[in-house]
This record gives sequence, structure tokens and C-alpha cells, in this order.
Amino acid sequence: DAGVIQSPRHEVTEMGQEVTLRCKPISGHDYLFWYRQTMMRGLELLIYFNNNVPIDDSGMPEDRFSAKMPNASFSTLKIQPSEPRDSAVYFCASSWTSGGAGTQYFGPGTRLTVL
Amino acid sequence: AQRVTQPEKLLSVFKGAPVELKCNYSYSGSPELFWYVQYSRQRLQLLLRHISRESIKGFTADLNKGETSFHLKKPFAQEEDSAMYYCAPGGHSASKIIFGSGTRLSIRP
Repeated sequence: DAGVIQSPRHEVTEMGQEVTLRCKPISGHDYLFWYRQTMMRGLELLIYFNNNVPIDDSGMPEDRFSAKMPNASFSTLKIQPSEPRDSAVYFCASSWTSGGAGTQYFGPGTRLTVL
Repeated sequence: AQRVTQPEKLLSVFKGAPVELKCNYSYSGSPELFWYVQYSRQRLQLLLRHISRESIKGFTADLNKGETSFHLKKPFAQEEDSAMYYCAPGGHSASKIIFGSGTRLSIRP
């Protein structure tokens, strides 16, 4: 298994543009998490899904951010419109119920730069 | 409120010296505690969990419920231990865990 796959690995865009980040979790995992990492705020949980259903989106910073999980093998995080303060590394992680609490498998991350 | 504190942003020690990365937490109920590690150019990965009471790569972590601490220790640091370390408390399901701000461990030769 290739592990959690994220695309793109790097994204540079201009303020006001729409950005879509993609994630493919490990097959068989029923939890999917989106995190944002910045120097100032560290690693923040944005939202997580269980069986494709959003469970907790309290970490989503504002309405410009949205996340979907149309099926068990794909999720997107969208920012519209993007702003310079959204520049960060965005991680996707997955885990499974019987795997025990806390064992999350992380993707390589998407480094987003908003000019 | 659920909170985790790693007071040291950077910890630099010589090879062969003991290492202790501090972690204090505030969490309702009885959380499970984890340490995650991110080596250079690698993915964030689970290092160890308190419930397993295991030693991974020479690291151990003792949960002190009285002090609400979960410090990570290693008696003799190796250069390959240089990495970013995150303390993370969580619930007893596969749901969310909270990551600390991280400590960068640098091992000097």
C-alpha cells in the first residue's frame, strides 16, 4: 500500500483564487482527518470524517473552507477564495476503528502558498 | 478545555547524552497519550502510545496522571533521533487527537 496519498504536493496561487487539495486514504480505513500546520499555530485539526460523514468541523477556520468525502477513497479540502494567511502545509491522515485510538497514518502534505 | 503543552521548541543535546522531551496535558476524562515523530523529509508517524508500555527506538514515556505529564525519554541519544516530536492526547476511540506545538530535537555529534 502506498499509504495516504495527497495531491498536489505543492500549490502556489494568487489571493482570491480557488484551491482544491485532494486526499486518498489507506484502503479500509474509516476515519479521515484534515490538518493544517503553520509555524505560529502548529498542527491544527480542521475536520474529520467517519465512514464518509463529517463528524467534527469545529476546526475549520471560516466559511471559505469546505471539505467533502464523496466516497471511502477520496476527500477534498477546498478554499474559496484563498488568502495569504491560508499559506500552510495541509496534511491528510486516516485511521481505522479497530486499529486503536491515536494510530493515524499521515500523508506527505500539500504545501500551499497564497501570494 | 483540552490542551497539551510542550514547553521546549528546541532541544539540543550531544550524542550519547540523555534526552527528555516534556509534555503536559489538560484533558477531560482519562485520555490516551501518544508521541508522534517527524524525521526530515518523512511523514509524521506514531512513535509510541502509553497504553502499550513499550520502548520504541530506545524511547519510553511514562504517564503521570497526578502531574498530567507524559514526558518522552531516552537514556542515550543517537544522531538519527534528530526530528520533530509531538505529544498528543486523545480519546479512547479512533477519533481525534490533539497535537502539541512540537519540540525539535537536535542531536549534536
